[in-house]
Amino acid sequence: QVQLVQSGAEVKKPGASVKVSCKASGYTFTSYYMHWVRQAPGQGLEWMGIINPSGGSTSYAQKFQGRVTMTRDTSTSTVYMELSSLRSEDTAVYYCARDFSVLWVTADRVPDYWGQGTLVTVSS
Amino acid sequence: SYELTQPPSVSVSPGQTARITCSGDALPKKYAYWYQQKSGQAPVLVIYEDSKRPSGIPERFSGSSSGTMATLTISGAQVEDEADYYCYSTDSSGNHRGVFGGGTKLTVL
Repeated sequence: QVQLVQSGAEVKKPGASVKVSCKASGYTFTSYYMHWVRQAPGQGLEWMGIINPSGGSTSYAQKFQGRVTMTRDTSTSTVYMELSSLRSEDTAVYYCARDFSVLWVTADRVPDYWGQGTLVTVSS
Repeated sequence: SYELTQPPSVSVSPGQTARITCSGDALPKKYAYWYQQKSGQAPVLVIYEDSKRPSGIPERFSGSSSGTMATLTISGAQVEDEADYYCYSTDSSGNHRGVFGGGTKLTVL
C-alpha cells in the first residue's frame, strides 16, 4: 500500500531555513509526481509546488518562488522540501502528497495519497 | 494568480442535502476536485474530474460543474460528514500549478 512518511516536527527561528523529508513506499517512486501542500493553524490548504521524481523538474506556486526548493533522491525514494527565510507566517503543517495519475498520462496534477504532515514552528 | 472561491460555512440537518459551491474563472475549461478534511487528519479526495467518485467514497457524494461554478453535493448528509471541504483545480499555464479554494466548514446537526 502507498505510504508517505514525513520527518518530525521542527522549531526554527525567523530567517532560518527548514528542510522536510517525505519517504515513499508501496509504489514505483519515479512514476508519480509529488506535491507539497501546507496548512497554517486554523487555516486552509495552500498548494506550494510539485516535483517530478523521475527527472527532478519542479513547478512552484508564485508565492514561494525564490524561497522554496524541492528535490528528490531516487536511491532512497525520498523527496525534500526546503523553505528559506522563514517568518512567523510560515508556521504550518507541511504535507507531501503523491499525485493521482502516473506521470506519463496526460492529466491534471492532483494530490491524492498524503503524508502524515510535519509541523514547522517559526518563533524567536 | 488564479483563485477559487468557496462559502466559509454551510449547515444542514442530518438527512438533508448539503451543497458546497466553488467558483473560479477557469472552471469552464478546467476540472474541479474536492477534498474532505476532518479535524486533525490529512485531506481525502472525494470527487475528481468534476463528478467522478474514487473507490471507497460513499455514493451520497456527487459533483457537478457548470460555467464558472463547481458544486459538491452530499445527499442525505450524515453526522460523520461534518468536516472542512476544499475544492482544487489547476491553472491553464501547463506548468502543473494547483490552487485550493479557501475551504467550507460543513456542520451537520
